[in-house]
Amino acid sequence: DAKTTQPPSMDCAEGRAANLPCNHSTISGNEYVYWYRQIHSQGPQYIIHGLKNNETNEMASLIITEDRKSSTLILPHATLRDTAVYYCIVRVAGAQKLVFGQGTRLTINP
Amino acid sequence: NAGVMQNPRHLVRRRGQEARLRCSPMKGHSHVYWYRQLPEEGLKFMVYLQKENIIDESGMPKERFSAEFPKEGPSILRIQQVVRGDSAAYFCASSPPGWRTDTQYFGPGTRLTVL
Repeated sequence: DAKTTQPPSMDCAEGRAANLPCNHSTISGNEYVYWYRQIHSQGPQYIIHGLKNNETNEMASLIITEDRKSSTLILPHATLRDTAVYYCIVRVAGAQKLVFGQGTRLTINP
Repeated sequence: NAGVMQNPRHLVRRRGQEARLRCSPMKGHSHVYWYRQLPEEGLKFMVYLQKENIIDESGMPKERFSAEFPKEGPSILRIQQVVRGDSAAYFCASSPPGWRTDTQYFGPGTRLTVL
């Protein structure tokens, strides 16, 4: 699985959009970009994933650059409950395991 | 549809005892994964199982750890003769069959404390 690079920490004001970047410059054509988050020591929560196209669901939007070497997770209206560690993972579909890096510790401030 | 269930949520064992952690996957999911998170560290893959088969155990410690996913019942992660270094959060994830829909969904974890 390709290596990802994320900033160790970020802050965002409540109600604003939180934009979390991820670099994956060595991503292969068949590798998807997945995002998970872990709120305080709870189990990781799946957020969204994509291959080439931008994706949106009820939780977030995923913007993938045209060359696929980086992506951004967008939480459109961050709340205090979005404070968590966010993990960007690249993975071949059908691959057996998720390889977690250090992630980005996002703090939402009131 | 209930999510992935794990029990117990907290488990305390003394050194040398056995720990059994159980994981019930989401309905319709036949793939189970176990991950371990040591204090202040990231999540590490341990083992991947399908019903009655271990597919990948490359992350399992060579001794004392074993896992199973029987035809009936939950998946079990078993740690024999626990040591203090086994204290960690153990998370189970499940996914449905089929590579196009193999997003993993995690349970709440079991926190093992070894005294």
